Amino acid sequence: AQSVTQPDIHITVSEGASLELRCNYSYGATPYLFWYVQSPGQGLQLLLKYFSGDTLVQGIKGFEAEFKRSQSSFNLRKPSVHWSDAAEYFCAVGVNTGTASKLTFGTGTRLQVML
Amino acid sequence: DGGITQSPKYLFRKEGQNVTLSCEQNLNHDAMYWYRQDPGQGLRLIYYSQIVNDFQKGDIAEGYSVSREKKESFPLTVTSAQKNPTAFYLCASLDRGVSPLHFGNGTRLTVT
Repeated sequence: AQSVTQPDIHITVSEGASLELRCNYSYGATPYLFWYVQSPGQGLQLLLKYFSGDTLVQGIKGFEAEFKRSQSSFNLRKPSVHWSDAAEYFCAVGVNTGTASKLTFGTGTRLQVML
Repeated sequence: DGGITQSPKYLFRKEGQNVTLSCEQNLNHDAMYWYRQDPGQGLRLIYYSQIVNDFQKGDIAEGYSVSREKKESFPLTVTSAQKNPTAFYLCASLDRGVSPLHFGNGTRLTVT
């Protein structure tokens, strides 16, 4: 079965600083990988996804992530954080069950931004 | 605008009562999902449905039931058998294959 580990429960950065959120996955085949963001009391919004091809993927809000098969990682990065980026971030790995997929989520990383 | 509507946003029930959470989508998506979210535990899959009149158990289905009589609707019933029902419940859908999930805004259920 697939699994996702987000080792950082809580990260605090200053506005304007760079950001990297870590994600490691476990899956026997080629993974489908996602990053989602959640504001308090809201649903999840997709930031970016990796299915195949270029290992550096660009997402919304200036985020990017890099798939590294050798390290089983899919870390999320942003060069300059804005105060509005404060939220919880979830990494997920998808498995195709045929006509639909099942996503397994990490436990999340809560990002706090200092002004 | 297309999307997923979960209602109500907040729900309060007494212990021992069944309660049904609503989820409606107008995205014409085939598959629908229910996740439970607890602090520090991420999202855990309760049930999912790939087509009408068919659904499968997820990782934590005990104490929950679902139905899928219409493509647009996937209600979740939290039964009295669920030992710790207080949580944030998220409904999601996707078109087909391995596509990103689209999420509703969730229902926070409190059982006392």
